[in-house]
Amino acid sequence: AQTVTQSQPEMSVQEAETVTLSCTYDTSENNYYLFWYKQPPSRQMILVIRQEAYKQQNATENRFSVNFQKAAKSFSLKISDSQLGDTAMYFCAFRGSAGGTSYGKLTFGQGTILTVHP
Amino acid sequence: DAGVTQSPTHLIKTRGQQVTLRCSPISGHKSVSWYQQVLGQGPQFIFQYYEKEERGRGNFPDRFSARQFPNYSSELNVNALLLGDSALYLCASSKGQGVGAEAFFGQGTRLTVV
Repeated sequence: AQTVTQSQPEMSVQEAETVTLSCTYDTSENNYYLFWYKQPPSRQMILVIRQEAYKQQNATENRFSVNFQKAAKSFSLKISDSQLGDTAMYFCAFRGSAGGTSYGKLTFGQGTILTVHP
Repeated sequence: DAGVTQSPTHLIKTRGQQVTLRCSPISGHKSVSWYQQVLGQGPQFIFQYYEKEERGRGNFPDRFSARQFPNYSSELNVNALLLGDSALYLCASSKGQGVGAEAFFGQGTRLTVV
């Protein structure tokens, strides 16, 4: 079974600075995707960025980038030029290609609460 | 376009009762998934439906059931409610069912069991 671990329950950063959120995962699959989702106090989960396991190049979306270390099974999220609107709970998630009862399943980590201070 | 809509937003039920939660996916999305998020934790996968058929099921008891209708909307039913069923229930829709498909989430239904 896949597991996703986020070891930082809470993080804080000053506005305009850079912060990195950590995530590790465990799987025996070769074909999978990793995701970072943001959940603000409004509760709606929003996709921040995703990474395909077969792609060596790290994904980037504007101020958000990942450091994907496949051998180490590590998938960290870097937020540059942090903004007040980045304050939210961030979840790392895994989806594999295995079928059966796990079909379509996103496996989430425990989350990291990020607070951006003015 | 409207996003994923869930109803009701909040719900209070008594132990032993039954509850039905509803989800309307984004237009054109044929895949709907349900997740349970206990306060302070990550969401846990309950079900995935694609083209009106159950395609995936998480580790939840048989008290949990779901279905998807011809218009791709979905209902999640929970029978014989327990206090531990109190949680935020999230619905997500996807256009396809590929491994990398983006899941679009609704704002959830907050269920409180007393």
